[in-house]
Amino acid sequence: EDQVTQSPEALRLQEGESSSLNCSYTVSGLRGLFWYRQDPGKGPEFLFTLYSAGEEKEKERLKATLTKKESFLHITAPKPEDSATYLCAVQGETSGTYKYIFGTGTRLKVLA
Amino acid sequence: NADVMQNPRHLVRRRGQEARLRCSPMKGHSHVYWYRQLPEEGLKFMVYLQKENIIDESGMPKERFSAEFPKEGPSILRIQQVVRGDSAAYFCASSPRTGGANTEAFFGQGTRLTVV
Repeated sequence: EDQVTQSPEALRLQEGESSSLNCSYTVSGLRGLFWYRQDPGKGPEFLFTLYSAGEEKEKERLKATLTKKESFLHITAPKPEDSATYLCAVQGETSGTYKYIFGTGTRLKVLA
Repeated sequence: NADVMQNPRHLVRRRGQEARLRCSPMKGHSHVYWYRQLPEEGLKFMVYLQKENIIDESGMPKERFSAEFPKEGPSILRIQQVVRGDSAAYFCASSPRTGGANTEAFFGQGTRLTVV
């Protein structure tokens, strides 16, 4: 069964203190791995899609990387406005359906 | 996210009433997904629909819950005879395709259902 595990559950950083969030996955036939950001009371906001091992995507202070078993979301010199819950999801080929399986997220708090 | 429209944003129902949640996908998107989220928990898949077809409803309770995505109009998630345990945030997402590039799903702002 497709599964996504994110770590850590929560992370507190000082402004400017770089770190990485981990997303480990097991999926039958990866079609895509997705990163989202979710602010309290809001819907998830799409950040990146990664399709194959070795692929990297970058946007401002965020960089997502992918291996055959896990993905990392690197946050460089974070700012307080980067505080949010970061969600990872995979889409596999299991049973011919294309649902997105989500992890439980990493709650990031960046302190000024 | 504003392009995926969900309404209402907040819905209060008494136990035993029906809740009807609506989702209009992004323009050009023909794939709709419904997810449920409890506080401090991840998004749980409920159902995946294409126009006039339910493709995967494996995450949806067998009783009281139903979903549709008609040829015209929004997708509807219906919960009959609501119970307190149905209180949650329900999110809709849409995507343009399921293969190749650009298969990411875009989410609406959700409907927060409270059963009293």
